[in-house]
Parts: sequence; structure tokens; C-alpha cells
Amino acid sequence: SQQGEEDPQALSIQEGENATMNCSYKTSINNLQWYRQNSGRGLVHLILIRSNEREKHSGRLRVTLDTSKKSSSLLITASRAADTASYFCATDEIGSNYKLTFGKGTLLTVNP
Amino acid sequence: DGGITQSPKYLFRKEGQNVTLSCEQNLNHDAMYWYRQDPGQGLRLIYYSQIVNDFQKGDIAEGYSVSREKKESFPLTVTSAQKNPTAFYLCASIDSGGSHTGTDTQYFGPGTRLTVL
Repeated sequence: SQQGEEDPQALSIQEGENATMNCSYKTSINNLQWYRQNSGRGLVHLILIRSNEREKHSGRLRVTLDTSKKSSSLLITASRAADTASYFCATDEIGSNYKLTFGKGTLLTVNP
Repeated sequence: DGGITQSPKYLFRKEGQNVTLSCEQNLNHDAMYWYRQDPGQGLRLIYYSQIVNDFQKGDIAEGYSVSREKKESFPLTVTSAQKNPTAFYLCASIDSGGSHTGTDTQYFGPGTRLTVL
């Protein structure tokens, strides 16, 4: 079953703008992860935020987690054309034993 | 050069045939996973294995089979019982040797695109 649901499904912005993607989930989690997928390729891990963390940064990425609302957001600042990809959130549910549940993704297009 | 390899990159199958997708990792990871991805969709878990000689069904295991005879290999067979096998198949692995340490990220292979003719 798909636990993580990303919003929006697609996002188109200009280079230099910020991009924000949201993810909602339904159950209690150990951590939430964001992955990136270029067209026709495998997924690449971007950032992991644990259930006891509220915010995390990695370069131009900022992730927040609100466990009370069961939601997370991924912010990409100063976007570049090379950021064009699909972005997925994945939840590591408590008791799942390392089994991740992925959402359907947000397709981000950054126009030069 | 460490990582996960999948082969072939593209695979064509006639209806009624079984085909096997290869997944190999040299990361010394304990757990391995197979996902299916349909166009515009997320990943759905087919099978996973946390240790050699053991594996569990995921959410969409029907029509698929796996084996885990070696730690580094986790082949997926798409059988003729899978009615709609055309999809992009992704293999992943994780080092699950310890408790949840916050480094529980999955490493993905480049994928195999299977098309039924």
C-alpha cells in the first residue's frame, strides 16, 4: 500500500526559484526519507529525517517533519535545471523491519 | 567500484515466458529488495530478503518469484502468471545489520525495463 502521498504531483518553476514538495503519511514511523529519480534511472537517496527530529538541512535541501500532522516537506532552494527529476518520500514504519513505503512522487521541472 | 548492478537494462518477453532479472551488490548489505514502478507511479514492493536463504512477500508478489542463495545476489523471476509485467523494475539493498541508527537508506540499482511483446 502507498503510505506516503506527495503533493503536488507536478511542479514547474524557473531556475533560481525555490521548490517545495509535501508528503503525508498515515502510520507511526522510525524515519522518513526523500529520494530523487532522474527519468529512467534508479533512485538516489537525498536526506533522512528521524521521527525525533523536526528539521534537517543538506546543502540546498531542507526537510521538515511534523509527526503530529504526519507530514513532511522538502524545500530545494535556488533551484537549477539539473534539479529536474521526480522526488519521492519514503516512510520507514515502526515494526516494518527496514521495509520502506514509497509515495507516487512529485515531478519537478526547473526551466532555465 | 561498489554498488548495485542490474541486468539487463532492457528486456523483452513474449507472453507466456518466464524471465529472470539479475541484481548483484558488492556493498556487503544484508537486506535486498525488489520494486516495480509503473509510469507516473511510485514504487511498489514485490519481494524482500533480510538474510541469505530467507525472503518475504511484499505488496504485489503474485506472479513473481525470488531466491537468495548468496548474500550478494537476489534474482527476480517474472513468471507467466504475472498478467501485466511490463514495467520498470528496481532492486535495492540496505545494511540492516544493526538497529535503526538513522542511516537506514536504501541504495538502488539502475533498473531493468521489461516489455512484454
